[in-house]
Amino acid sequence: NAGVTQTPKFQVLKTGQSMTLQCAQDMNHNSMYWYRQDPGMGLRLIYYSASEGTTDKGEVPNGYNVSRLNKREFSLRLESAAPSQTSVYFCASRLSSGAHTDTQYFGPGTRLTVL
Amino acid sequence: AQSVTQLGSHVSVSEGALVLLRCNYSSSVPPYLFWYVQYPNQGLQLLLKYTTGATLVKGINGFEAEFKKSETSFHLTKPSAHMSDAAEYFCAVSDRAGNTGKLIFGQGTTLQVKP
Repeated sequence: NAGVTQTPKFQVLKTGQSMTLQCAQDMNHNSMYWYRQDPGMGLRLIYYSASEGTTDKGEVPNGYNVSRLNKREFSLRLESAAPSQTSVYFCASRLSSGAHTDTQYFGPGTRLTVL
Repeated sequence: AQSVTQLGSHVSVSEGALVLLRCNYSSSVPPYLFWYVQYPNQGLQLLLKYTTGATLVKGINGFEAEFKKSETSFHLTKPSAHMSDAAEYFCAVSDRAGNTGKLIFGQGTTLQVKP
């Protein structure tokens, strides 16, 4: 049981390049989330998927797209990377049994630098 | 709208001393509150959560937090700090609109433990 896995762990891009961050969970969770972490700002929600087949914008969606490929996988795409997207990206998942109290489980993160 | 404020971006204590990390929230509905810990170069791990019932919540690694509605606070404490407690700590509130499970995080507090 690996929990939430993310690939790659590190990535360096040039401005304008594109890339996809991958996330997978093996806990049969319904909801998945993408956050970015920046110094002094905590974690901010980029996009989330409350259930398979649905995606919604979070607090900071500009410059990103997502795909909920199936119940296990939720990818985050940067179409044209900008230096402002330099950050650490975390994926999380949650059972979503109907209770707001369900815990979110986090992956190890992807550290992205855009030059 | 809900929000979380963590007072103090850096807290330094001596090994064996009391740890107190402060968190205040704003919510128009009864909040569900969480504390997460992030060790260097790792993802976030749940320390404890408050949903309903007992206002003193015990978590892992000897941490506990008390929900005080009158003070809109959810401070995290540990009686005796250990070197292994050095990490970044995040307070979060669950966005209770719908069943999205979205978390709103504070800015984070870095705990330094001195020998």
